[in-house]
Amino acid sequence: QQQVKQSPQSLIVQKGGISIINCAYENTAFDYFPWYQQFPGKGPALLIAIRPDVSEKKEGRFTISFNKSAKQFSLHIMDSQPGDSATYFCAASMAGNTPLVFGKGTRLSVIA
Amino acid sequence: DGGITQSPKYLFRKEGQNVTLSCEQNLNHDAMYWYRQDPGQGLRLIYYSQIVNDFQKGDIAEGYSVSREKKESFPLTVTSAQKNPTAFYLCASSIWALAKNIQYFGAGTRLSVL
Repeated sequence: QQQVKQSPQSLIVQKGGISIINCAYENTAFDYFPWYQQFPGKGPALLIAIRPDVSEKKEGRFTISFNKSAKQFSLHIMDSQPGDSATYFCAASMAGNTPLVFGKGTRLSVIA
Repeated sequence: DGGITQSPKYLFRKEGQNVTLSCEQNLNHDAMYWYRQDPGQGLRLIYYSQIVNDFQKGDIAEGYSVSREKKESFPLTVTSAQKNPTAFYLCASSIWALAKNIQYFGAGTRLSVL
């Protein structure tokens, strides 16, 4: 499986600020790009996802931006809150019931 | 109450011992997965199964074994050949619907070596 590279490893944002996490992929056969949120001691939970035929998807305070030509996608968290403090993983998969390839994660801390 | 149930939540392994982690789902999903999570390493795929009685190795299958005798169950055995088993193990299942590979995770099992 080919890699998904995620940055930064950790991020500290003031309450009310914008959190931005970036990912890059290599395999042009990837067809689905989800973001997962994980709290300590818990399993990851699907946050938002996008397919490559769309350049942006917004759900509440969370937005994915997708750049197919650059093979990059990013998660923006608007009006970041302390409750958003968690580890975020980007991932990618091919079509069908196939395994996800995960980035290494970003630990987000939102401070008041 | 639908979802994925992993048990036990915590597990301790002695040297030379095989241990089995349970994963059960009642979502009627065809595909199931096992991932290993280490600090700073993200989630790495151990094994996956897209249909009953069939499974495929992932990136780090050495020292692990699985079975898929029933659609709802996908147990993972950590064998004595796995020399560094301490990690957080996550089971997932997925459905391919509306061109989306939606994968759901259990709450995990934390394995430690005594």
